[in-house]
Amino acid sequence: DAMVIQNPRYQVTQFGKPVTLSCSQTLNHNVMYWYQQKSSQAPKLLFHYYDKDFNNEADTPDNFQSRRPNTSFCFLDIRSPGLGDAAMYLCATSRDQGQSYEQYFGPGTRLTVT
Amino acid sequence: GNSVTQMEGPVTLSEEAFLTINCTYTATGYPSLFWYVQYPGEGLQLLLKATKADDKGSNKGFEATYRKETTSFHLEKGSVQVSDSAVYFCALSDRGGANNLFFGTGTRLTVIP
Repeated sequence: DAMVIQNPRYQVTQFGKPVTLSCSQTLNHNVMYWYQQKSSQAPKLLFHYYDKDFNNEADTPDNFQSRRPNTSFCFLDIRSPGLGDAAMYLCATSRDQGQSYEQYFGPGTRLTVT
Repeated sequence: GNSVTQMEGPVTLSEEAFLTINCTYTATGYPSLFWYVQYPGEGLQLLLKATKADDKGSNKGFEATYRKETTSFHLEKGSVQVSDSAVYFCALSDRGGANNLFFGTGTRLTVIP
């Protein structure tokens, strides 16, 4: 089945130690998104790629970076995680941009910072 | 700006009860409105959507009507099942080029037999 896969499902990192979260998709979608969801809060968009074009949300901290080496994969890099970065990180894809294109979500990676 | 306010949970219902989860929104343009559902251990799934005023989205017995006059998109189901237990998110998309989703905080529904 075509799907959005996130690895790992649970990640523990130490304060200040760089960490990378992975997302892959078999849908061949053009757009890939990263959302941050803190406990009992709404998911919040960090950035998205439209093909190779990177689009950062204005209030996304510089500590968060992303890479998309090819259509199938997208990575979220947190350069120096703080305790406040503990959250669920959701990857999503859509075939194209625009309100009419559904976003397909992966199961998420829960990040713990110790 | 854009925001979504969602009924706080958790909500616990008996099987076959009627469900309403309230959702209101604020948007600068003409948003599309969505309900997403997250079952335990899974990602968000689109449940239903409506793209213009007075549209009704429906799926799996769930319905929601886009009410521009009250800026609302309440989710309803006439008879819930245990399998409907999940977290429900109301969301809007209000940007012509990209597809940025603004989510509510989610409402956890538990249906007991």
